[in-house]
Amino acid sequence: NSKVIQTPRYLVKGQGQKAKMRCIPEKGHPVVFWYQQNKNNEFKFLINFQNQEVLQQIDMTEKRFSAECPSNSPCSLEIQSSEAGDSALYLCASSLGQGGETLYFGSGTRLTVL
Amino acid sequence: GQQVQQSPASLVLQEGENAELQCNFSTSLNSMQWFYQRPGGSLVSLFYNPSGTKHSGRLTSTTVIKERRSSLHISSSQTTDSGTYLCALDPNTNTGKLTFGDGTVLTVKP
Repeated sequence: NSKVIQTPRYLVKGQGQKAKMRCIPEKGHPVVFWYQQNKNNEFKFLINFQNQEVLQQIDMTEKRFSAECPSNSPCSLEIQSSEAGDSALYLCASSLGQGGETLYFGSGTRLTVL
Repeated sequence: GQQVQQSPASLVLQEGENAELQCNFSTSLNSMQWFYQRPGGSLVSLFYNPSGTKHSGRLTSTTVIKERRSSLHISSSQTTDSGTYLCALDPNTNTGKLTFGDGTVLTVKP
């Protein structure tokens, strides 16, 4: 099924610490998405990329998160200063295109901010 | 209001019974996907089905755009089918950005 690889599987940080997670999209997939699934199982879109370029991001991501998808390296999502409310499952997905394409998800990184 | 609504919120079956999961949406549709989320969190894509009917083993997905609904039918359920089933749609923004429903939690008892 999916060949999207996310690391680490679990991440525990203290408030104010940086939290960084990585994603290797499926080979040949130029579009990468990051979603946050909170403890209520609600999904929130964070940011997406086409190759190295940011397509869309929400305000929260723009202010407190940094994300990149460099060529020939894993994509990454980093929270600059973790807050308790950031505790969630962070899911990376990739697809062949922006619209009308299947999204394939990784196993996620479960972040706990103490 | 919520763009994507799933029903039922939870469902308990005996092994061998069939299940019908519903997804209703209030917006136009570019794509519809059904996912299975394992208890550990990983999302498995079951169907990409923007319209019509698709089959995969014991699973069938039917999307009727003009009625703004999609369904997932599981026949002869097994205990390993237990988990959360999510529908997600791309509301014709051509961004690939998905809007998820709240999911149906399925429990299949032996």
